[in-house]
Amino acid sequence: GAVVSQHPSRVICKSGTSVKIECRSLDFQATTMFWYRQFPKQSLMLMATSNEGSKATYEQGVEKDKFLINHASLTLSTLTVTSAHPEDSSFYICSARDRPATWGTEAFFGQGTRLTVV
Amino acid sequence: KQEVTQIPAALSVPEGENLVLNCSFTDSAIYNLQWFRQDPGKGLTSLLLIQSSQREQTSGRLNASLDKSSGRSTLYIAASQPGDSATYLCAVIAGNTGKLIFGQGTTLQVKP
Repeated sequence: GAVVSQHPSRVICKSGTSVKIECRSLDFQATTMFWYRQFPKQSLMLMATSNEGSKATYEQGVEKDKFLINHASLTLSTLTVTSAHPEDSSFYICSARDRPATWGTEAFFGQGTRLTVV
Repeated sequence: KQEVTQIPAALSVPEGENLVLNCSFTDSAIYNLQWFRQDPGKGLTSLLLIQSSQREQTSGRLNASLDKSSGRSTLYIAASQPGDSATYLCAVIAGNTGKLIFGQGTTLQVKP
C-alpha cells in the first residue's frame, strides 16, 4: 500500500512556541492531504483538508490562524501549531490521497505526532 | 450530517472467542467504509475496506460486512488472540469529499 511518513513522532515544546509537523507521501503524489486530531481516549476529528497549491479548507471550529497548513508540493504538507498552549496537546495524524478518482480506495495514514505543550 | 457510532465502547473477552464489533452510520450515501486498528499511542493500521457496492470483505481471521440500507457494518474477529488487543475504528467516506468520518472506536482486550 501507499506509504505516508509523518515527522516528528513525538515533540515536547514550551507554551508560546510554534511546532511544525510534516506529512510526506513517499511513493505517490498526494493532491489532497487531510489533517486529523485525536484527544486521549477519543476518536479522530478532521481538522482541515489540504489541496496542493491552494489554501486549506478548515472544519468548523478549527482556528486557521492557530493551525497553519501548507501544501506546497505534491509530496509534502505541513501543519504548524502556532503559539502552542497546553490545550493544544494532542495526537495529530495526516492522511494523503492521490486524486479524487481514488477516494473510494483505501486511506493510508502517517504514524501520527504526539504533541505535548508544557 | 454524517455520524458514525460504534458499539460497544469497550470489550473484554477470553482468548479464542469469536467476537463482533458494530458500526452504524446515519447517511447511507457513502463511498466506502474502512476498518482500522490503533494500538496505544500509535497511528492507524488499515484492516479492511468495503466499497459501497460490496457486502463484505475478508482478510485472514477478519470479516467485515456492510449493509448500506440499514447503515450498519460489523467486524467479525474469529479465534481472538491477545495480540488482537487494540482499539478498532470504523470510518466512512461521506460524499465526494474524500473526508473520513470516524466512529469513537471499540477498545478490545483479549485475555490469555
